Amino acid sequence: GAGVSQSPSNKVTEKGKDVELRCDPISGHTALYWYRQSLGQGLEFLIYFQGNSAPDKSGLPSDRFSAERTGGSVSTLTIQRTQQEDSAVYLCASSLQGIGNTIYFGEGSWLTVV
Amino acid sequence: QKEVEQNSGPLSVPEGAIASLNCTYSDRVSQSFFWYRQYSGKSPELIMSIYSNGDKEDGRFTAQLNKASQYVSLLIRDSQPSDSATYLCAVRSTNAGKSTFGDGTTLTVKP
Repeated sequence: GAGVSQSPSNKVTEKGKDVELRCDPISGHTALYWYRQSLGQGLEFLIYFQGNSAPDKSGLPSDRFSAERTGGSVSTLTIQRTQQEDSAVYLCASSLQGIGNTIYFGEGSWLTVV
Repeated sequence: QKEVEQNSGPLSVPEGAIASLNCTYSDRVSQSFFWYRQYSGKSPELIMSIYSNGDKEDGRFTAQLNKASQYVSLLIRDSQPSDSATYLCAVRSTNAGKSTFGDGTTLTVKP
């Protein structure tokens, strides 16, 4: 596609439920990032995929969070047993491999846990 | 110490003035530096990238890089109210491969 596509754009879920957020990166982009951004706050790094390398999971806040990337393209971020503090916008981004390549962001998935 | 540090602001300048946004980073092997703009409720979008010491100009925007001081800045000349946004500095090193973002500086340009 033309840009990074994320779904759903908005999700309201009950506390304790699991949610899945999907990211479809720009075609050919080998690098894929997930970030979380709470209202008025900066970007919080969650996880980074680069090609076939092991993902950098150093930003995942707890074991309730996991992500996978199938076939080097689409990625799914899963949050189990959601808590109210998980409410935020989850941004996916992708880039070509290489030191100077721009990161392109999707429009985000706005998650509200009630 | 954060890997990428920015003054959170808010920074307020009058319309037509020069806005100066600063960013310092801790990883000496960092190679690529980016400035992103994020409007409220929107995703970040790239304004400029810089890789070599010195200045890089693009329209009203100038990025300045000083690797010895581990410092990168963004100057916005003739600031407009439409420049009001949060500006994010991002740094990428050869080792990690991933980009690291600062927390951003909020700029308000007052008419």
